Amino acid sequence: ETGVTQSPTHLIKTRGQQVTLRCSSQSGHNTVSWYQQALGQGPQFIFQYYREEENGRGNFPPRFSGLQFPNYSSELNVNALELDDSALYLCASSLGGQSDTQYFGPGTRLTVL
Amino acid sequence: AQSVTQPDIHITVSEGASLELRCNYSYGATPYLFWYVQSPGQGLQLLLKYFSGDTLVQGIKGFEAEFKRSQSSFNLRKPSVHWSDAAEYFCAVGAHRAAGNKLTFGGGTRVLVKP
Repeated sequence: ETGVTQSPTHLIKTRGQQVTLRCSSQSGHNTVSWYQQALGQGPQFIFQYYREEENGRGNFPPRFSGLQFPNYSSELNVNALELDDSALYLCASSLGGQSDTQYFGPGTRLTVL
Repeated sequence: AQSVTQPDIHITVSEGASLELRCNYSYGATPYLFWYVQSPGQGLQLLLKYFSGDTLVQGIKGFEAEFKRSQSSFNLRKPSVHWSDAAEYFCAVGAHRAAGNKLTFGGGTRVLVKP
């Protein structure tokens, strides 16, 4: 059974550019959640996808958007990058439902210059 | 709105000594509670979780946590710390939703282990 994988591992972009981060969920999991972890802070919930539909969103602007595909993998897109978007982006997959337990990938480190 | 407070930003403990990490939460109903560990530059690994039932839960790597509703706490403990336990620890509360939890994390506690 493979765990959650994310790509790329590291990424450097300049302000104003756009970026796409990818996540492959653990086998059998139909729910993917994305979190942003700024340096020295706890992760913050961006949004969650359940069976290809957005299922909840945190306090992030619309330039943060996502997709979930039929195989339950997911993308996080960020437009018009700002310096404050520099962070570790974590993806978590789960089975959903009331007793949901999220399993995290290793993250993508995004640096915006 | 749900929230989590981890009062200790850093804790230094000697190898072999006991460890207790504090976590206080705010949530309007019975919470789902989690502890995760993060090594430098890595993702989060689940240590243990509480959904219901026995308030003392056992996790991996010899960790345990106790849910105390009256104190809104979910403190993590380990009787004897190993050098490999040096990491950052995050407590999280999950909002119950039909399709899955939205996790709210505390700010984390960094644990340093002295030889």
